[in-house]
Amino acid sequence: DAGVIQSPRHEVTEMGQEVTLRCKPISGHNSLFWYRQTMMRGLELLIYFNNNVPIDDSGMPEDRFSAKMPNASFSTLKIQPSEPRDSAVYFCASSFLEGFGNTIYFGEGSWLTVV
Amino acid sequence: GQQVMQIPQYQHVQEGEDFTTYCNSSTTLSNIQWYKQRPGGHPVFLIQLVKSGEVKKQKRLTFQFGEAKKNSSLHITATQTTDVGTYFCAGNLYGNNRLAFGKGNQVVVIP
Repeated sequence: DAGVIQSPRHEVTEMGQEVTLRCKPISGHNSLFWYRQTMMRGLELLIYFNNNVPIDDSGMPEDRFSAKMPNASFSTLKIQPSEPRDSAVYFCASSFLEGFGNTIYFGEGSWLTVV
Repeated sequence: GQQVMQIPQYQHVQEGEDFTTYCNSSTTLSNIQWYKQRPGGHPVFLIQLVKSGEVKKQKRLTFQFGEAKKNSSLHITATQTTDVGTYFCAGNLYGNNRLAFGKGNQVVVIP
């Protein structure tokens, strides 16, 4: 089975530009997560969806960040306008949520550099 | 809010030696999970512990969940160069589907 698929794998963009990261979760999974990883802050949960509905977006840093999940097989994380401090690895992950103890499967990440 | 803390944050381990990494929560957890992230890679699920005092083994790795379900440990014996990476613990509060990750324990293996 294909794992979580993210694109682009690497992106370098100039400050002020819009960045869109894409994710295809594992088929059959009902929860999707966006994480950001930096050396300073570690792995941070930005937002998660359950059955395509945003459940917890308290980790979204500010209004420049937005996430959508229009259907069960696709999600986007958008940064507009981007800033150098947004440089990080952004991981999308999915799981099948039933009760507690949902194992999370991570994509390979999108490495974002904002210059 | 819930915090999951890991100590130490960094470890240098001589190849062939044993080491342990610890995970502590300020509140009782319904479960604890461990993930491993290789340099340049993504976190990969290793194991989940659910029961108080539970111990599970995977070859040279031994995972333990504390009796109070507030702490966990990962012990690796006879460290190999393939053990290099960052080990994350993550836990759920009861009734909360949000998985809280620790900041990880970055392990460097010295040949």
